[in-house]
Amino acid sequence: AQRVTQPEKLLSVFKGAPVELKCNYSYSGSPELFWYVQYSRQRLQLLLRHISRESIKGFTADLNKGETSFHLKKPFAQEEDSAMYYCALRITQGGSEKLVFGKGTKLTVNP
Amino acid sequence: GAVVSQHPSRVICKSGTSVKIECRSLDFQATTMFWYRQFPKQSLMLMATSNEGSKATYEQGVEKDKFLINHASLTLSTLTVTSAHPEDSSFYICSARRVSVNYGYTFGSGTRLTVV
Repeated sequence: AQRVTQPEKLLSVFKGAPVELKCNYSYSGSPELFWYVQYSRQRLQLLLRHISRESIKGFTADLNKGETSFHLKKPFAQEEDSAMYYCALRITQGGSEKLVFGKGTKLTVNP
Repeated sequence: GAVVSQHPSRVICKSGTSVKIECRSLDFQATTMFWYRQFPKQSLMLMATSNEGSKATYEQGVEKDKFLINHASLTLSTLTVTSAHPEDSSFYICSARRVSVNYGYTFGSGTRLTVV
């Protein structure tokens, strides 16, 4: 079954501390993974996609196929990073596609 | 950049009435649009996928006669909640996929539906 698991509902860190938001997936095909962020009262927006291997706002995420993980990391968290973070898996099936989301992790960065 | 406009942002309707939610891609063409439902403090659950000019594909457990989806053009998809009941109250979000950009999913700002 295709599934995205974010084990932490809530994560709280202090400003300047490292942060890691966990994401594990289950998919029989070749995985394509994303991180989306939703700041307070704003729409969902793309943060990272694994194929780009980019760093956005100091965040990075590496796809580990062996551990079926795509954890999001930032070495020094900032207060403005406080938001909901969703990990998503793109599934393709018979010409159709969709994104399956994890349940999200609410990150709070305290001053 | 890619912008998806979703209207209305909030709507309150009486039980038994129908409500239409619009999702427009403002500066790009979207062959595929997705409709999600989000319950409080929960994740986005995909309801259906709409492709321009063809019937929508509904996820298991979603009543297609209740949630009517129309994708009449490359820039507009609509979701109509028919004969709404209080249990249909939720946050509905649309997403559009750009034609020319791989993995280009852009999300609308969502519609808060309250059925009284």
